[in-house]
Amino acid sequence: EAEVAQSPRYKITEKSQAVAFWCDPISGHATLYWYRQILGQGPELLVQFQDESVVDDSQLPKDRFSAERLKGVDSTLKIQPAELGDSAMYLCASSRQGRLGETQYFGPGTRLLVL
Amino acid sequence: QQPVQSPQAVILREGEDAVINCSSSKALYSVHWYRQKHGEAPVFLMILLKGGEQKGHEKISASFNEKKQQSSLYLTASQLSYSGTYFCGTAQGGSEKLVFGKGTKLTVNP
Repeated sequence: EAEVAQSPRYKITEKSQAVAFWCDPISGHATLYWYRQILGQGPELLVQFQDESVVDDSQLPKDRFSAERLKGVDSTLKIQPAELGDSAMYLCASSRQGRLGETQYFGPGTRLLVL
Repeated sequence: QQPVQSPQAVILREGEDAVINCSSSKALYSVHWYRQKHGEAPVFLMILLKGGEQKGHEKISASFNEKKQQSSLYLTASQLSYSGTYFCGTAQGGSEKLVFGKGTKLTVNP
């Protein structure tokens, strides 16, 4: 069964350092999502890609976060510089076309701890 | 606008039933239910589209009441494996963007 892959699974960094997370969606899925999940909360959308284009990045803190999906397949989310409040689980999800009613499949996530 | 889930937490004994509700103040187009175990990714359970349909998945089913802008998840004859946090994600106002609730923590004890 195809799955969304993410790496690393865990990352510990000091504040002001740069971190990067990688995601490989299910093959053939055009839509890729990055979510942030704070402990005890539901996932919150940071950015949505349709192929290589950003569809929604309204909740992405653009002064320190960036995301790219250059060839419309895998994607990287970067934080620079990291702050204490960035400690969270970063989840990647994908869906076929991003249409209303489509299932989003989540990867295992990257748990980030900023010290 | 974030949907409201209730209850926040529920503790069951194996074999008991539970209902988890997800309500929105905005018109809902779809409701997606996920279960997440501690430290793991959310696992998809089912999607309900507007139209008041009910879906089933083994002993887990859900309904969607369009008039009330509410969905309910029904877990019958609960098993230990049902333990986890249940999230509803809602697509509102014609947007396919999912907004998730804060979750309902379900604990099933032997």
